[in-house]
Amino acid sequence: QKEVEQDPGPLSVPEGAIVSLNCTYSNSAFQYFMWYRQYSRKGPELLMYTYSSGNKEDGRFTAQVDKSSKYISLFIRDSQPSDSATYLCAMISGTYKYIFGTGTRLKVLA
Amino acid sequence: GAGVSQSPRYKVAKRGQDVALRCDPISGHVSLFWYQQALGQGPEFLTYFQNEAQLDKSGLPSDRFFAERPEGSVSTLKIQRTQQEDSAVYLCASSLALGQNMKNIQYFGAGTRLSVL
Repeated sequence: QKEVEQDPGPLSVPEGAIVSLNCTYSNSAFQYFMWYRQYSRKGPELLMYTYSSGNKEDGRFTAQVDKSSKYISLFIRDSQPSDSATYLCAMISGTYKYIFGTGTRLKVLA
Repeated sequence: GAGVSQSPRYKVAKRGQDVALRCDPISGHVSLFWYQQALGQGPEFLTYFQNEAQLDKSGLPSDRFFAERPEGSVSTLKIQRTQQEDSAVYLCASSLALGQNMKNIQYFGAGTRLSVL
């Protein structure tokens, strides 16, 4: 079993929908949780960065961390075709080693 | 430059050839990381440098993989005697430092796509 599990999708939604992306993890020592967006043939780009449990909002994006359930989520409101990409969750093991999920491919249909 | 720069963007190698992939991190970033991303997968950690010191190479898949950062800035990932299973995107990332307060955020380059025929 992988340390971080993420549904690979693909997930197709109509423009304007609310998107929910999720990851589960097994290592209770993880404290930093990130969401990266990766467009085709590009490097991952940081979207959200959270420490420990709670919610964080940035524009149309909301990140949630539930450490008791070992579950993190990314919500995208009013989704746009330009949001079509792969979304990777990542967690830090120790002080520097990022552990990534497999990524969820999202397609927002115009 | 403003971001992490990697070259070449694409590399095609015949099986058995040696390849060298270059990473130019964000200026002033102490920490540098290499990842391997197979098709349809998330990036997987290969190795970590703090300045010129390679502090963790636990993710390198075999002794054919070698990384260096001799002056604490540019890094090179070398793969000797390439095999088909080495085909992947190799990502480089850098961070300001380790620790809290977002210093440990890693910024990624666009990657080098390696195809071994």
